[in-house]
Amino acid sequence: EADIYQTPRYLVIGTGKKITLECSQTMGHDKMYWYQQDPGMELHLIHYSYGVNSTEKGDLSSESTVSRIRTEHFPLTLESARPSHTSQYLCASSEYRKTDQETQYFGPGTRLLVL
Amino acid sequence: ILNVEQSPQSLHVQEGDSTNFTCSFPSSNFYALHWYRWETAKSPEALFVMTLNGDEKKKGRISATLNTKEGYSYLYIKGSQPEDSATYLCAFPTSYGKLTFGQGTILTVHP
Repeated sequence: EADIYQTPRYLVIGTGKKITLECSQTMGHDKMYWYQQDPGMELHLIHYSYGVNSTEKGDLSSESTVSRIRTEHFPLTLESARPSHTSQYLCASSEYRKTDQETQYFGPGTRLLVL
Repeated sequence: ILNVEQSPQSLHVQEGDSTNFTCSFPSSNFYALHWYRWETAKSPEALFVMTLNGDEKKKGRISATLNTKEGYSYLYIKGSQPEDSATYLCAFPTSYGKLTFGQGTILTVHP
């Protein structure tokens, strides 16, 4: 059973506000990921991390930033939210192996609406 | 840009029908192919990780096959049930565990 949590599940916020989406996992996984999904579109990787103090940009450019100070915690921050940031954001984690076969475990997602 | 394509985009079947859908991916530099099921209001859940050409994996009424030479994988559901209704995603690893996802096939099973 995967234990990966995201808060909030839903967020409606005004333009210009700073927001942080929380993601935590209790599996001790080294690798963590943030994906963004617009309605009807694919999941796109926006950030990933191989471990503490490691963060990388994903395949889709994003104005958000992430940090990885603790293994279990990988928050995503938007300094100034805009309507174009309206989307669903999913966090995932996986064990570190030198293959591409490791399963990613997903959180339930945060649906963000910026007015 | 890596192309992972899934078809059909959506599918409606009756309870008891068997169904299948396709994931197409680049046949060069193949590492693995992942299948996920994503039910509404839940987290995406891993179904299979397929690695070898000709691989066939099964989980209950769901099975998947893999052809790495031609770059496709089929997902089959035998005797569909309403609880099988979900979006089925395939994903292709690019490097170091990063996944590129297809758009998904939305399956609706009508009672």
